[in-house]
Amino acid sequence: GQNIDQPTEMTATEGAIVQINCTYQTSGFNGLFWYQQHAGEAPTFLSYNVLDGLEEKGRFSSFLSRSKGYSYLLLKELQMKDSASYLCAVRAYNTDKLIFGTGTRLQVFP
Amino acid sequence: GAVVSQHPSRVICKSGTSVKIECRSLDFQATTMFWYRQFPKQSLMLMATSNEGSKATYEQGVEKDKFLINHASLTLSTLTVTSAHPEDSSFYICSASTSLLITYNEQFFGPGTRLTVL
Repeated sequence: GQNIDQPTEMTATEGAIVQINCTYQTSGFNGLFWYQQHAGEAPTFLSYNVLDGLEEKGRFSSFLSRSKGYSYLLLKELQMKDSASYLCAVRAYNTDKLIFGTGTRLQVFP
Repeated sequence: GAVVSQHPSRVICKSGTSVKIECRSLDFQATTMFWYRQFPKQSLMLMATSNEGSKATYEQGVEKDKFLINHASLTLSTLTVTSAHPEDSSFYICSASTSLLITYNEQFFGPGTRLTVL
């Protein structure tokens, strides 16, 4: 079966660092995506990992360990506008389909 | 680049009527388009995958006769919710991908359509 787990909700303070974890069990693997989604809006692409290791892009970094079926999204220097849902999605091998996790609602407080 | 539009952004209809939602890739040719449904505070659930010129592939549990998908060109896919009922009220999001762009072959999402069935 396909299973992707994320914490449901997280809170953090402006200026802090937060790590959002994602564990997955899927039939095959061809990349993991992180998307940000504000309420009532479409998801926007944040990062992509297909090989093990850390990908850094400005304030956001994403890590992947394929052997552990584990990824995390790291957000640094949090801003109020980072309050949103963060979706982890896995692409199965030989397909363009994405399987989305439950999403993590992050609230950033002043 | 890689912009996807959806129309309408919001629609309210009476129970029993049909609603058509359009998804367009504005500046690229989408070899594949996807339709998702998202209920409040939940994640995206894939409904179907459509490739231009061929029949859509529906996910398990999605009624193909109720959710009609047409992908007539490389820039347009439509989802028609037939005989809509209140339980069909949801946020419908399309996405498009292409193997022609030098990217991660990621999906580009439309802004979504909020459907409310009275």
